Formats: sequence, C-alpha cells, structure tokens
Amino acid sequence: KAGVTQTPRYLIKTRGQQVTLSCSPISGHRSVSWYQQTPGQGLQFLFEYFSETQRNKGNFPGRFSGRQFSNSRSEMNVSTLELGDSALYLCASSLGSGAGSTDTQYFGPGTRLTVL
Amino acid sequence: AQSVAQPEDQVNVAEGNPLTVKCTYSVSGNPYLFWYVQYPNRGLQFLLKYITGDNLVKGSYGFEAEFNKSQTSFHLKKPSALVSDSALYFCAVRDIPPAAGNKLTFGGGTRVLVKP
Repeated sequence: KAGVTQTPRYLIKTRGQQVTLSCSPISGHRSVSWYQQTPGQGLQFLFEYFSETQRNKGNFPGRFSGRQFSNSRSEMNVSTLELGDSALYLCASSLGSGAGSTDTQYFGPGTRLTVL
Repeated sequence: AQSVAQPEDQVNVAEGNPLTVKCTYSVSGNPYLFWYVQYPNRGLQFLLKYITGDNLVKGSYGFEAEFNKSQTSFHLKKPSALVSDSALYFCAVRDIPPAAGNKLTFGGGTRVLVKP
C-alpha cells in the first residue's frame, strides 16, 4: 500500500506570495492532519480534516487554511507569506474514526517551504 | 493543556550499548502516547504507541517503550543500538477522550547519535 504523498517536495517563494501544498493520504484513510516543523518551534499542529470538514485547528493565523476533497486528498494554503513561514510542512493521514479512536497517524515526507 | 517534555536534546551512545530516550507527559485524562523517528530530509516514521494494557510496548526495529503512569513517563528503549538508529526521535501525546480528532502534541525531539 502506498504511503502518504506530498507535493511538491520543495518550494521557494517570496514574501507576500501565496502557496498551496498538496497531500494524498494512504488509501482508505479519511483523516488528514497538517503540521509545521521549524527548528525554533518544533512540531506544531495546524489543522485536521475528516470527511471534508475541519475537525480541529491549531493556533495559527487565518493566513493558514486548508480543505479536503471527497477523495480525502487535502490541500493547505498559506497566503501573504512571511519569512517566518519557512518550514517543513508535514501531512499525516489516519483511518479517521470517531472520538476515542486509537488511530495511528502516518506521515508523508513533507514539503520544504523557503520564503525569501 | 496537554504537554510533552523530552529533557535531553541529544543522546550519545556507543553501538551495541542500550539506548534510552526519555519522555514525560502531562494530560488531563488518560493518554495515548506515541514515538516517531525522523531521518534527515524525511517525514516522521511511526515506531510504537501505548493505548492501554501492558505497560511495556514493543514496536518496530527492536524498539520498545515503558509506560509509567505514576511517573507520567513513556521512555523509549532499545537493548542494543545500531549506527543506523542515529536520528531525531519525537514523543507525542493525544488525550483520551480526544477533545476533537487526532491532534498530536509533540515533544521537542531528542537527537540520537550512535557511534561505531
């Protein structure tokens, strides 16, 4: 079974631009979560989508948004990029059961975003 | 709010010696606990998880972890380290019942260096 795939793997943007990152979950997985990884802040939760609905959101500004499609694929968008948005953005998928589930999240390789 | 602490930024161990990576957690209820490993320029790879039951959890690549509720710890262990175990290790926690979905809170990570 194929793992979580993320595209593109690398991106270079300039301040003020916007960017869209894509994530394809493991087949059969319905939950997709996004995390930001930086040297200073570590791994931080951005948001989770399940059945095309945002189920949870981390403490990030409104410039960060996402969506999920009917095939469970997900995209995240960052508008008006800032230098501090440079990070590795990781997508994780899980089966996506209800509250109390014991699902394991499986991570993709990440998208390395550099903002100049 | 839940939190995870990994008190050691780096652990150095000689190949063949036992490896221990420490993790302590703080949650309002019973925890789901996870260990992930990250190799350079890669995403996070799932090692093992504790949900309930036996306090000693066995995972991938010879790793195991011991859950200690009284000490709120979940230390990762390997009896005999390999040079290929050199990587960045993350402990993570999810509340039970989950406030919403699959949000993971990560520790700051511990870099493991196994010397030949």
